[in-house]
Amino acid sequence: EPEVTQTPSHQVTQMGQEVILRCVPISNHLYFYWYRQILGQKVEFLVSFYNNEISEKSEIFDDQFSVERPDGSNFTLKIRSTKLEDSAMYFCASTRGGPSYNEQFFGPGTRLTVL
Amino acid sequence: ILNVEQSPQSLHVQEGDSTNFTCSFPSSNFYALHWYRWETAKSPEALFVMTLNGDEKKKGRISATLNTKEGYSYLYIKGSQPEDSATYLCASAGSGNTGKLIFGQGTTLQVKP
Repeated sequence: EPEVTQTPSHQVTQMGQEVILRCVPISNHLYFYWYRQILGQKVEFLVSFYNNEISEKSEIFDDQFSVERPDGSNFTLKIRSTKLEDSAMYFCASTRGGPSYNEQFFGPGTRLTVL
Repeated sequence: ILNVEQSPQSLHVQEGDSTNFTCSFPSSNFYALHWYRWETAKSPEALFVMTLNGDEKKKGRISATLNTKEGYSYLYIKGSQPEDSATYLCASAGSGNTGKLIFGQGTTLQVKP
């Protein structure tokens, strides 16, 4: 069964460093998302991406964040200069169509630890 | 501001018990309500996507109902089994049909054999 994959599973970085989190969505899916969960808090939406552009982003998704689908299979989240408060589990998700009406398929997450 | 709330936060039941939990969401600008099951160290897995008021969906021993006018959904598990132990998340799809999901805090279910 197709699944969403994410690498790495765990990333440790120093404050101020750039990190890139990678995701491979399900191959025939068209809509892509990043969410995160800070320990003890709700899962929160970061960004949605469709047709090679951002369709919606949250207030969290400021200029330090960017997303890219560089080669038609990978979907990446870049944090330019990490802060302590960026420590969280980051989830990628994808869906085939009708984005709000179809189930989203989630990856297993990347745990980002900023020291 | 869209706010989704779930209760209870955690639940401990014995194997064979039936249980239910609640998700409340703002009823204005409603698009869809999603339920996910999230087992430790695994990916959240979709259970249901519900859109119509009065809708009821079922998957095995798990079912869900939806009331969009008053803004709540119930998830029921009949005859709980230890493998049902997980966190159950509900999420409301925001307006704009971009797929943005606003999640509740989850209900963690522990089923004791």
